[in-house]
Amino acid sequence: KAGVTQTPRYLIKTRGQQVTLSCSPISGHRSVSWYQQTPGQGLQFLFEYFSETQRNKGNFPGRFSGRQFSNSRSEMNVSTLELGDSALYLCASSLGRGALNEQFFGPGTRLTVL
Amino acid sequence: GNSVTQMEGPVTLSEEAFLTINCTYTATGYPSLFWYVQYPGEGLQLLLKATKADDKGSNKGFEATYRKETTSFHLEKGSVQVSDSAVYFCALRNSGGGADGLTFGKGTHLIIQP
Repeated sequence: KAGVTQTPRYLIKTRGQQVTLSCSPISGHRSVSWYQQTPGQGLQFLFEYFSETQRNKGNFPGRFSGRQFSNSRSEMNVSTLELGDSALYLCASSLGRGALNEQFFGPGTRLTVL
Repeated sequence: GNSVTQMEGPVTLSEEAFLTINCTYTATGYPSLFWYVQYPGEGLQLLLKATKADDKGSNKGFEATYRKETTSFHLEKGSVQVSDSAVYFCALRNSGGGADGLTFGKGTHLIIQP
């Protein structure tokens, strides 16, 4: 069974631009969560989508948004990029919601903002 | 709110040494506890988990016991190998279907020397 895939793997943008990252969950998984990983702040939860609805959101500004499609694929968007948005963005999928459902992580998208 | 504290390292050990990585947490309710491992250039992989007090999670020679009285979930391995070199993250997630995302510690960089 294929794992979680994320595209693109690497991305370079300039301040003020916007970016869209994509995540394809494991087949049959309906929950997709996004995390940001930086050297300073570590791993932080961005949001979770289930059945095309955002279910939970971490403490991030409104510039960070996402959506989920009917096939469970998810995208996240960051508008008006700032230097501090440079990070590894990880997507995780699980069969369902809640702590008892193991989250499987993708390899991440490395975003660099210049 | 939730938080996880772990030693950041780097922790350098010789092959076949005993490993302990300390992890303590603060949480409301009764969270599930996890250890994730991240190898260079890869996403996170679940190493082990425990969902209630006194549970012991184990995998690949690693063990951790959910200690509610000390709010701890220390990772141990009796004899480490060079291939165990990676970054290890302790994490928690509130139980229940409406759970929010994983809360991670800062990660411990483990280096095993031959």
